[in-house]
Amino acid sequence: QVQLQESGPGLVKPSATLSLTCSVSYFSITNGFYWTWLRQSPGKGLEWIGSLYYNGYTQNNPSLQSRITLSVDTSKNQFSLNLNSVTAADTAVYYCARARGGASSYYFDFWGRGTLVTVSA
Amino acid sequence: DIQMTQYPSSLSASVGDRVTITCRASQSIDGYLHWYQQKPGKAPNLLIWAASNLEGGVPSRFSGGGSGTDFTLTINSLQPEDFATYYCQHSYNIPPTFGQGTKVEIK
Repeated sequence: QVQLQESGPGLVKPSATLSLTCSVSYFSITNGFYWTWLRQSPGKGLEWIGSLYYNGYTQNNPSLQSRITLSVDTSKNQFSLNLNSVTAADTAVYYCARARGGASSYYFDFWGRGTLVTVSA
Repeated sequence: DIQMTQYPSSLSASVGDRVTITCRASQSIDGYLHWYQQKPGKAPNLLIWAASNLEGGVPSRFSGGGSGTDFTLTINSLQPEDFATYYCQHSYNIPPTFGQGTKVEIK
C-alpha cells in the first residue's frame, strides 16, 4: 500500500518561500504515475497545485505558475514543493498525492495525511 | 478553468436512506469525473473514477453515473460511516478542479 507523508514548517512568514517535502513509501516514484501537490483552505476549497513525473516533467496550476517550483529526488523517493512570495491566502492544509490518469488528466488515488501551513508574521 | 458545482451543498439523511449528490460542470468533460469522500481531519479518499468506476475497496453501495456536464453520486442504504463531505473533480484538462463539496449529515 502506497504511503505518502508531508513534512516541512508549519509557519511561514509573508513574502517568504514555503517548502514542503513528500516522502513516498512502499512504492518507487520511478514506477510511473504523477506525483502531486494539492491544498485545501476554507476559502478556496480543494485546489490542485501541480504534478510532476520522476523524469522532471511538471505541470502546474496556471494561477500559481509563476510562484511554484516542483522537484523530485529519486534517490530518496521524495518530491518537493517550493511556493514563493507567500501571503495569508496561501494558508492551507497541503497534501501530496499520487495521480492516475496520465498527463493532463489527473485524479488522485493515494494521499498523505496533510500538513497545515500558516502564513503569518 | 472549468467550474464544478455540486448540489446540494449539504443534506440531512438517516441510516438506510438512499442519497444522491449532483455535480455539474461548466462545459462538457466527457466522462472525466471523479468522486471523493472526506472525513474531518482526514485526506480525501477516492471513491469513483471516470464517472462510474468503483475504486478498489469501496463498498458497492456507492455508484456513479453521468457524462458530459451532469453527474451523480448515489449512496444506497446510507451507513453511519458514510456521514462525510463528498467532492467531485474533473480531469478533462489543466487545471483539474473540484466542486465545493456536499456535506452529508445525520438527520
